[in-house]
Order: sequence, then structure tokens, then C-alpha cells
Amino acid sequence: DIQMTQSPPSLSASVGDRVTITCRASQSISTYLNWYQQKPGKAPKLLIHTASNLQSGVPSRFRGGGSGTDFTLTITSLQPEDFATYYCQQSYNTPRTFGQGTKVEIK
Amino acid sequence: EVRLLESGGGLVQPGGSLRLSCAASGFTFSNYAMSWVRQAPGKGLEWVSGISGSGGSTNYADSVKGQFTISRDNSKNTLYLQMNNLRAEDTAVYYCAKEPRRDGYNPFDYWGQGTLITVSS
Repeated sequence: DIQMTQSPPSLSASVGDRVTITCRASQSISTYLNWYQQKPGKAPKLLIHTASNLQSGVPSRFRGGGSGTDFTLTITSLQPEDFATYYCQQSYNTPRTFGQGTKVEIK
Repeated sequence: EVRLLESGGGLVQPGGSLRLSCAASGFTFSNYAMSWVRQAPGKGLEWVSGISGSGGSTNYADSVKGQFTISRDNSKNTLYLQMNNLRAEDTAVYYCAKEPRRDGYNPFDYWGQGTLITVSS
């Protein structure tokens, strides 16, 4: 199975900050990498698919990048509604594995 | 509007069985693969099982292989997950999730609200 490792596990940031979350795959997955946002008690929401493609309706302050084994999710200017947990997930093969999550908290 | 509505969750004793359903609307159900993803309390996301749009291809996580069975009824726009021999570690919120293509390994572009399964005596 492909292991997905996110860092950091959590971070504290202020509104307006630039935030970057990293996801590393245990083997190359090309650009088959997706990012989700989950708020407490809610279902996850797809933000970015295939590493850098913004899902319809997602604000442009969310940016994805990377290929191979190393990927990033950047929020260019953190907004109050962005405080949540973020997960990466590979869709290169089965089982489709997730990272352990990164919780973005208010500083 | 895409809508996914899970049902069938609840409290079940260890060793028991349960069948989850996911009623889909707002899209041509048979054109899209579907999956089940679970989340244990306070934990991360775990993909459980997936099925192609036709139902002819299925995949399972090793943790549930031989224990869970995914299926779909395209005439009823409904996805199912039959769960047998349930264990405490199967306790989780179970989400059904739509994929953007009929086949293959895809992201999950729409999710249901989830249904809680608690395995306890």
C-alpha cells in the first residue's frame, strides 16, 4: 500500500496568513493526489484534484502543487472559514490511501 | 444538485451484521463509480471499498476484505455495503462518496452526510 504522510499534524495561524501543508507519498504517484477539507461533524469536501486542479466552486486562495512523491497545499490568505482539518489522498492505485490529516487552528 | 443520503447505521453487537444504503440523486448514477469511506471517532479517513459504475468491478481495503461486500442497484440509484462479523474496530462514521468517472481510481467529488456504526455489547 502507498503510505501518505502529512506535515505538520497541526498548525496555528492567523487570518490573512499564508499556510502550507505538505504531503509525501511512499512511492511516486505522478499527480494522482487530491486534497480535502473537513470541518467538525461534517463530511469532507474535495478542494483540489490531480495535484493542482481546483474543484469547481473552491476559492482560488487554495493552491495545490507537486508531482511524484512530494505535494503541497497552500492557502494564500487564511480566512475564518478555512479553520478545519485537511487531508491528502492518492488515487494512483488501490487501496486509495489518505494522509493522517493536518488540523489548522486559530492562533 | 448531487445528493447522497446514507441510512442503515446504528448500534450492533460484535459478530453482528448490518447493511448500509446510500440513495443517490441529481446525477446519472450508473455513469459513476462509488465508494465507501469511514472515519473512526477522532481519527482520520479510511477508504473501505469501491465499485465501478456498472457494478462489474469492486475493490476492498485489506482491513475489510472477506468481511464487507459492496454492491449497487442502478435501477434504484442506490449503493450498498453489507457488513458481516462486525468488530469494535469497525466503529466509525461511514460515508458514501461519488467519483467523477465510471471506472478507475478517482478522487471523491461528492460525499454523503455519513451514518454512524457503533459495534458494542
